[in-house]
Amino acid sequence: KNEVEQSPQNLTAQEGEFITINCSYSVGISALHWLQQHPGGGIVSLFMLSSGKKKHGRLIATINIQEKHSSLHITASHPRDSAVYICAAPALIGSQGNLIFGKGTKLSVKP
Amino acid sequence: KAGVTQTPRYLIKTRGQQVTLSCSPISGHRSVSWYQQTPGQGLQFLFEYFSETQRNKGNFPGRFSGRQFSNSRSEMNVSTLELGDSALYLCASSLVKGSGTDTQYFGPGTRLTVL
Repeated sequence: KNEVEQSPQNLTAQEGEFITINCSYSVGISALHWLQQHPGGGIVSLFMLSSGKKKHGRLIATINIQEKHSSLHITASHPRDSAVYICAAPALIGSQGNLIFGKGTKLSVKP
Repeated sequence: KAGVTQTPRYLIKTRGQQVTLSCSPISGHRSVSWYQQTPGQGLQFLFEYFSETQRNKGNFPGRFSGRQFSNSRSEMNVSTLELGDSALYLCASSLVKGSGTDTQYFGPGTRLTVL
């Protein structure tokens, strides 16, 4: 069964800083998800990736399949980026459903 | 296109009662997954439905059940509520089956408090 670990648990940054959140998983996966959860509970899917790199605005997600590691980067961070960022992966090799989630990284960006 | 909707948004129940939560997916989406989020355990997968069939189930007791209707709307039911069932219940829909390999669109959640 897959295990998903995220670091750091908490992160405080100054506006404009470059931010990196890490996610590692224990077994091979078909895709890894990055999610963003704002206070109040709403969750938005940021990325789903199975190889390489994806970019959306100031957000960049990378994945290294061999090392079973993914990173989420935020360039030129802004207070509105303050949220909990969660990575998720299928529970079993080849599993279509049953996502396993990391504990989340709580990001606070100060103006 | 309307997003995923969940009703009710907030619910207060007492121990021993049962509760039914509803989720309407994005139009055209056929897969609905349910998740429980608590401060202690984080996000945990409950079950996934596709074309009215339960495809996957997480590690939850039988008190947690669900179903999906022909219009893809889904309900989940929790019977004999316990204090530990207090949580945010989220549903997510995706275009095709398999929440693991398809982008999921989350609803706002139902916050259940069990007293």
